[in-house]
Amino acid sequence: EVQLVESGGGLVQPGRSLRLSCAASGFTFDDYAMHWVRQGPGKGLEWVSSISWNSGSIGYSDSVKGRFTISRDNAKNSLYLQMNSLRAEDTALYYCAKDVYAARHAAGRLNYWGQGTLVTVSS
Amino acid sequence: QSVLTQPPSASGTPGQRVTISCSGSSSNIGGNTVNWYQQLPGTAPKLLIYTNNQRPSGVPDRFSGSKSGTSASLAISGLQSEDEADYYCAAWDDSLNGYVFGTGTKVTVL
Repeated sequence: EVQLVESGGGLVQPGRSLRLSCAASGFTFDDYAMHWVRQGPGKGLEWVSSISWNSGSIGYSDSVKGRFTISRDNAKNSLYLQMNSLRAEDTALYYCAKDVYAARHAAGRLNYWGQGTLVTVSS
Repeated sequence: QSVLTQPPSASGTPGQRVTISCSGSSSNIGGNTVNWYQQLPGTAPKLLIYTNNQRPSGVPDRFSGSKSGTSASLAISGLQSEDEADYYCAAWDDSLNGYVFGTGTKVTVL
């Protein structure tokens, strides 16, 4: 059974940093690209970032580019999101999601999602 | 910031057919495939339709998708109470070099 378990969320002050983790199990982690998607309170889904199977291809939304860094450790079956210079508008539930392809692919789709970890940016 | 536009809400009575539109541009829907996600209240999203009109195993055939030009649609026929959820279209965007979601549509079963 595929499982994605996010952790690392919490309350953080504006301008500070936070690192999210996603522990994957039930599939061959290094065979697939992975994504972070967030959802602000009462809002829609927003794609944040994705990374190919070998970390060779990475992309970010314009809203987080230059502040967030996605990474993965295939030996540990883990995905990460380093979030720096956090803003109030980064407050959201952050989901880790698995793609069906190894590469960052235009036909990609997110076929498994975790339950999310909540990040609240407030003073 | 969504570049894919959906109506905020749609509704119908049990058994009716409901259609949700998703409007994009040549850099996303016009040149790439469309996926649809269903998010039941309080849960994580679930892949509902992929590659414009394909259903993952386990998704009832009353859900169907289509795409034409820079727009796509999701249809729910024989609406059921358990279909009450938020629905999001999504596609790759060549200009952004990333994935984009629609604004989302809340479906209410009257």
